[in-house]
Amino acid sequence: DTEVTQTPKHLVMGMTNKKSLKCEQHMGHRAMYWYKQKAKKPPELMFVYSYEKLSINESVPSRFSPECPNSSLLNLHLHALQPEDSALYLCAGRLILGALKRILGTGELFFGEGSRLTVL
Amino acid sequence: SQKIEQNSEALNIQEGKTATLTCNYTNYSPAYLQWYRQDPGRGPVFLLLIRENEKEKRKERLKVTFDTTLKQSLFHITASQPADSATYLCALAPGNQFYFGTGTSLTVIP
Repeated sequence: DTEVTQTPKHLVMGMTNKKSLKCEQHMGHRAMYWYKQKAKKPPELMFVYSYEKLSINESVPSRFSPECPNSSLLNLHLHALQPEDSALYLCAGRLILGALKRILGTGELFFGEGSRLTVL
Repeated sequence: SQKIEQNSEALNIQEGKTATLTCNYTNYSPAYLQWYRQDPGRGPVFLLLIRENEKEKRKERLKVTFDTTLKQSLFHITASQPADSATYLCALAPGNQFYFGTGTSLTVIP
């Protein structure tokens, strides 16, 4: 079982549609991530939320709009996308370890199964 | 910008042999490096972390080395099995962001 749940698993949308991807976690992750992954390429970082605040935006086009309503939920709002935006969108969570735990813990990312997006 | 290269896109080995994957990076001095496994159509799964002051880390059939002078990590799978076939990714975290290497697709042939 994954500790991070993403919905929908598959999404097909037209270039004029507005849709959203949803990511939910109940494991206490305080850093949340959105990645985009094209076929046979590594995950590419898009956004990082730290304690529900957007901390990193990797120069992502404004047609992608992230939102973090609370510590358990992360959304990615999609509007006016292009066919080249078709990809697997991955959400990940990470515990932000305290100074002592950082020595002992690994602070790894826990990924969801992803949402496969197709833009027509 | 951060550049993380993994030795080859694809690696085929015979079952029972040791697979060795390479991760090279530039423009950064990470405190630690992580390795992940990704199966087709699924999210990456964490395997191992190695810190800058550790030369080697082991977990079952997995072994990771870290050479901060060469800016390189090696990932070994001993006694490889067909079930080890997957894409393996190294990752660096300069702060709270995680950047992944180019990935190596490993196929273990029975």
